Amino acid sequence: QSALTQPASVSGSPGQSITISCTGTTSDIGVYNYVSWYQQHPGKAPKLIIYGVTDRPSGVSNRFSGSKSGNTASLTIFGLQAEDEAHYYCCSITTTSTLVVFGGGTKLTVL
Amino acid sequence: QGQLVQSGAEVKKPGSSVKVSCTASGGTFRNYPVNWVRQAPGQGLEWMGGITPIFGTANYAQKFQGRVTLTTDESTGAAYMELSSLRSEDTAVYYCAQKGGGHCSGGSCYYLDYWGQGTLVTVSS
Repeated sequence: QSALTQPASVSGSPGQSITISCTGTTSDIGVYNYVSWYQQHPGKAPKLIIYGVTDRPSGVSNRFSGSKSGNTASLTIFGLQAEDEAHYYCCSITTTSTLVVFGGGTKLTVL
Repeated sequence: QGQLVQSGAEVKKPGSSVKVSCTASGGTFRNYPVNWVRQAPGQGLEWMGGITPIFGTANYAQKFQGRVTLTTDESTGAAYMELSSLRSEDTAVYYCAQKGGGHCSGGSCYYLDYWGQGTLVTVSS
């Protein structure tokens, strides 16, 4: 069982917006702003798309946006495009002996 | 620059050990932790641990404590992940990953910009 909880799947049509939630605890998301998000296409290594809850690495589209409230972080993708179809994973630093935890992953389907 | 290159696929027997290497194309890992993340077939990402090359100190996920050893070798410029007492459930793609640049402090050192290509480890009798 993953330490961070994500929905198994979400879907949306091209041009629409979707939000993926990531629920943690007061030992991770609730206490730190070290939340990151990764995009992974089949057969590829993950790609960092959000770090520090809201920041985007250079080259990542501004259609990707991150936020946090309490123990829950969220990733919103605006203006869905076909190439956004992928798995998305949230990640946080924790106060426990397991320093880094990932969410279980969410499969995004662009209809 | 910043590319991480891993060793090739391995097939191991249950109970044995595997050692996967990761080298930085630039020849040095700099001061950021080198992390190891695995992904079982059809499953999600799982952080195994990280090691800071300059200090040689490692942090391990509780699940892997006692079974995984992370090391670095300055002479070869490589990082290594050794997993022992292998079982079928350890069949997975193993990635090394590291922060790409910029300020590194506390948790910000674990934003993983650069990833290796992955090494498939198959555990089968």
